[in-house]
Amino acid sequence: GENVEQHPSTLSVQEGDSAVIKCTYSDSASNYFPWYKQELGKGPQLIIDIRSNVGEKKDQRIAVTLNKTAKHFSLHITETQPEDSAVYFCAAKETSYDKVIFGPGTSLSVIP
Amino acid sequence: DTGVSQNPRHKITKRGQNVTFRCDPISEHNRLYWYRQTLGQGPEFLTYFQNEAQLEKSRLLSDRFSAERPKGSFSTLEIQRTEQGDSAMYLCASTLLGGLDTEAFFGQGTRLTVV
Repeated sequence: GENVEQHPSTLSVQEGDSAVIKCTYSDSASNYFPWYKQELGKGPQLIIDIRSNVGEKKDQRIAVTLNKTAKHFSLHITETQPEDSAVYFCAAKETSYDKVIFGPGTSLSVIP
Repeated sequence: DTGVSQNPRHKITKRGQNVTFRCDPISEHNRLYWYRQTLGQGPEFLTYFQNEAQLEKSRLLSDRFSAERPKGSFSTLEIQRTEQGDSAMYLCASTLLGGLDTEAFFGQGTRLTVV
């Protein structure tokens, strides 16, 4: 089955700097890659996703890149703000199985 | 509120007791998922339903766990004879099969503590 790895496990950045989180997946059939943000005491919330037919997607300060050959994908947050502090999860999904497999998470702290 | 609703938010139970959690998905969503999340880990898939049919169960779902989705609306997850290792956050998510957007919307979760 699919296995998703994620690093770093913790990340601290100064407000205004960029943050990058990297993930790898094992199943080459996976074709949907969502990123979730989870704040303390809340369920995960989708912040951006990318499908295998594109290599990059951007939404304001957030961008994701996908390298299908290497089975790598990354989340980039620019101009970080204290409210970006949370745990971020990458995930992968293969359509025929239709379940999302999560990475272990990255705890991001943005220092004012 | 049109989001995914889970009840209760918190549950403390003694080892050996049975517990039941409820999930109300977004009304038009036909797929419903249960995940378990332990501290410092990502959510782990437990099971999912397509309408009222339970289509897949993870190996994590022991015989003490049972999930139902009568009438294809709300779902319940029951844990019998709870063990301390069952302590975790239980998350429910729903999505609409067939739509271009396959985003799964998560509820706030039920945090279970077995003492």
